Amino acid sequence: DSGVTQTPKHLITATGQRVTLRCSPRSGDLSVYWYQQSLDQGLQFLIQYYNGEERAKGNILERFSAQQFPDLHSELNLSSLELGDSALYFCASSVGQVDGYEQYFGPGTRLTVT
Amino acid sequence: GQNIDQPTEMTATEGAIVQINCTYQTSGFNGLFWYQQHAGEAPTFLSYNVLDGLEEKGRFSSFLSRSKGYSYLLLKELQMKDSASYLCAVRDEEGNAGNMLTFGGGTRLMVKP
Repeated sequence: DSGVTQTPKHLITATGQRVTLRCSPRSGDLSVYWYQQSLDQGLQFLIQYYNGEERAKGNILERFSAQQFPDLHSELNLSSLELGDSALYFCASSVGQVDGYEQYFGPGTRLTVT
Repeated sequence: GQNIDQPTEMTATEGAIVQINCTYQTSGFNGLFWYQQHAGEAPTFLSYNVLDGLEEKGRFSSFLSRSKGYSYLLLKELQMKDSASYLCAVRDEEGNAGNMLTFGGGTRLMVKP
């Protein structure tokens, strides 16, 4: 158990819908990261927040957005969902913003878009 | 941009040694990570190299050559539970991209009795 929690564990929804994925980092970690893992794309970095501020951005679609709240939990919002958005979405956390040490991954949310 | 290559699949025998290679061409470099991921589960950290050389941690070792853009993960005394995907990830230059990691496609290792 990494100490990072994610909800929900599974999510099934229809195309065109909007969903919100939630992540709570390990106690004391200030950085939160979101990753998408699909079968054909591997693990792709989406976005990093540090202490409430956006710190780094990967190839995140405009239909996707995220935020980190004052209590440090984070939410990833996915809208106008398409079949291709079906994937495992992982949240990770680390202590610093550029600490170079390990990121601890949560168990993931499996999103299925039908 | 970042380009990270690793073999897609490898097979090895229980008790043996296996080496998983990773090569990278990146616009910046500030460290290389290895993660283990069992199917459907979260990646878990194995090792981190930022300087050239070998880092040893129990049955697992990782090597880095920055001049060659090359790393390998060495697994000794293989156990059945080592069957998993092994992900190589490169961290971009500090200050440029936060703590962003770019992952390779992963190497699926199958350990046979």
